[in-house]
Amino acid sequence: GEDVEQSLFLSVREGDSSVINCTYTDSSSTYLYWYKQEPGAGLQLLTYIFSNMDMKQDQRLTVLLNKKDKHLSLRIADTQTGDSAIYFCAESKANSGYSTLTFGKGTMLLVSP
Amino acid sequence: GAGVSQTPSNKVTEKGKYVELRCDPISGHTALYWYRQSLGQGPEFLIYFQGTGAADDSGLPNDRFFAVRPEGSVSTLKIQRTERGDSAVYLCASSLAGQTEAFFGQGTRLTVV
Repeated sequence: GEDVEQSLFLSVREGDSSVINCTYTDSSSTYLYWYKQEPGAGLQLLTYIFSNMDMKQDQRLTVLLNKKDKHLSLRIADTQTGDSAIYFCAESKANSGYSTLTFGKGTMLLVSP
Repeated sequence: GAGVSQTPSNKVTEKGKYVELRCDPISGHTALYWYRQSLGQGPEFLIYFQGTGAADDSGLPNDRFFAVRPEGSVSTLKIQRTERGDSAVYLCASSLAGQTEAFFGQGTRLTVV
């Protein structure tokens, strides 16, 4: 099965909070990442969390990590239409580069006015 | 350059042909990664270089795929006897050694007809 799983689609209204969920399988992952991909654009790192942390906040973004359940979430506060994109969860591979990553299939976030 | 540069941006080739895809990392970045992203999927790790050497090539799908980085800067991904299933966007990323954030290029869209 998939190493990293995400729901495929999320639709919210502008101003609401968005929560994107992810489950992973490799308990030895050092870092877990959230990337954003806009149409025709490259991947942009949004935020990451070290595996011994359970929460990280960065402006409108909050990452929650439940290591026991291998569950990661990304909350975007006050979602804007410019946040519409595909969001990828990724886990780092042990004993390789920090950016040797296993990605999920991505969650398409659609923000309507 | 300011970012990771990949050339060409698009490549159309016939089945069975040989192709080379080039990646110019950010100056000074010793770590370099290649990924492949098929339509509707997340990026899939191919190979990771630290300097001139391939530190992790476990993601290369078969021996038709090969990558080099002879001077520790520019890297070339080489695909022999291309197949239609090789059609994808090939992404390159680079980072400083020991840095968690890797910067991705815009990718090369390879189409095998």
